[in-house]
Amino acid sequence: KAGVTQTPRYLIKTRGQQVTLSCSPISGHRSVSWYQQTPGQGLQFLFEYFSETQRNKGNFPGRFSGRQFSNSRSEMNVSTLELGDSALYLCASSLEEGGITEAFFGQGTRLTVV
Amino acid sequence: AQSVTQLGSHVSVSEGALVLLRCNYSSSVPPYLFWYVQYPNQGLQLLLKYTSAATLVKGINGFEAEFKKSETSFHLTKPSAHMSDAAEYFCAVSAATSGGSYIPTFGRGTSLIVHP
Repeated sequence: KAGVTQTPRYLIKTRGQQVTLSCSPISGHRSVSWYQQTPGQGLQFLFEYFSETQRNKGNFPGRFSGRQFSNSRSEMNVSTLELGDSALYLCASSLEEGGITEAFFGQGTRLTVV
Repeated sequence: AQSVTQLGSHVSVSEGALVLLRCNYSSSVPPYLFWYVQYPNQGLQLLLKYTSAATLVKGINGFEAEFKKSETSFHLTKPSAHMSDAAEYFCAVSAATSGGSYIPTFGRGTSLIVHP
C-alpha cells in the first residue's frame, strides 16, 4: 500500500512569490491535514480537509490556503512568501478525522524562502 | 483549550538503558493522546495512541506509555534503548473543541540520543 506522497521534496522560492505544494494521501483516506514544522515553533497545524471541505483551520494568515480534490489529493498554497515561511511542510492523511484516528505523514516538502 | 509540554528538548541514554520521555498535557475534556517518532528527513510515524480503553498503552518497537489522569501525564518508556531509537519524539493531544472537531496539538519534541 503506497504511503502519503508529497511533491516536491525541496523548493527554493524568492520573497513575494507564491508556491503550491501537493499531497497524495493513502488510498481510501478522506482526511488530509497540513502542518508547518520549524525549529522555533515546532509542529503547527495549518488546516484539515475532509471530503473536499475544509473542516478545521489553525492560526495562520490568509496567505495560507488549501483545497482538496474529489480523489482526496490536496494542495496547499502560500502567496506573497515571507522569509519566515521557510519550513518543512508536512501532510498527513487519516481514514477519518485527523485528531482522532492515526495520521500517516508524508516525508514533507522543505521550503526555503530567500 | 489544550496544550502539551515535553520536558527536556534532548534526552541522552546509553544503549541498553531505560528510555523515559516526559509529556504533560492540559485539556478541559477527556483527550486522545499520541506519541509520534520522526527520523531525519522523514515524516512522523505513530508509536502509540491512548483512547481511554486502557491506561497502559503498548506501541511499536517496544515502546509503551501510561496515562495518568491525576498527574495529567503520558510519559513514554522503553526498557532497553537501541541505537536505532535515536530520533525526535513528539507527544500530541487532541480533544473536542466547542464545534466538535478534534485538532491535534503537538509538543515541541524531544530528541533522543543513544550512546554506544
